[in-house]
Amino acid sequence: AQSVTQLDSHVSVSEGTPVLLRCNYSSSYSPSLFWYVQHPNKGLQLLLKYTSAATLVKGINGFEAEFKKSETSFHLTKPSAHMSDAAEYFCVVSDRRYQKVTFGTGTKLQVIP
Amino acid sequence: EAGVAQSPRYKIIEKRQSVAFWCNPISGHATLYWYQQILGQGPKLLIQFQNNGVVDDSQLPKDRFSAERLKGVDSTLKIQPAKLEDSAVYLCASSRNSGLATDTQYFGPGTRLTVL
Repeated sequence: AQSVTQLDSHVSVSEGTPVLLRCNYSSSYSPSLFWYVQHPNKGLQLLLKYTSAATLVKGINGFEAEFKKSETSFHLTKPSAHMSDAAEYFCVVSDRRYQKVTFGTGTKLQVIP
Repeated sequence: EAGVAQSPRYKIIEKRQSVAFWCNPISGHATLYWYQQILGQGPKLLIQFQNNGVVDDSQLPKDRFSAERLKGVDSTLKIQPAKLEDSAVYLCASSRNSGLATDTQYFGPGTRLTVL
């Protein structure tokens, strides 16, 4: 069985300040982990993914995430928030043995000017 | 390359009616997924196809939902009869390889279904 928990349903930051979106996962097998972003009225888009190479993964638009097996976490960070970052972010775990995909419940990021 | 296409974009029906959604994945993508996203929740996988075979349909309510992917290309998802709780956005996604867990999924814009 696998699951993913996004610890905050809403996060609010000021423009120019750091962003931290938290994700914890559970998986019986070696997982692949993803972050997707969903802007209002737009489709889901991949931000970054971890597939057992480097534990620090860099994605688009300055986002990065670190895979920490001991903490079963895959938190998403960005040093400086931009207004265009306002969106909903989903953490996703994929089980490499049975190819099952599970989405988290999402975190809405609000960026205050 | 063209993205994942879905139609219609919006649909409003009465409960107990039937409805069908269509998805055309990115050309050459072997795997196709249908998700249900209820307002305020993350997408829930309904069914996953690898070419024209079903890989996972464990969360598909088979008494009312059906899906097919003829010829391993486009796909239709049908609900018959619809219930109020089926109101959601139905997302289609595709990925290049045969369901590898490391694959990136490419999502369509979704179909927003409202059941009255």
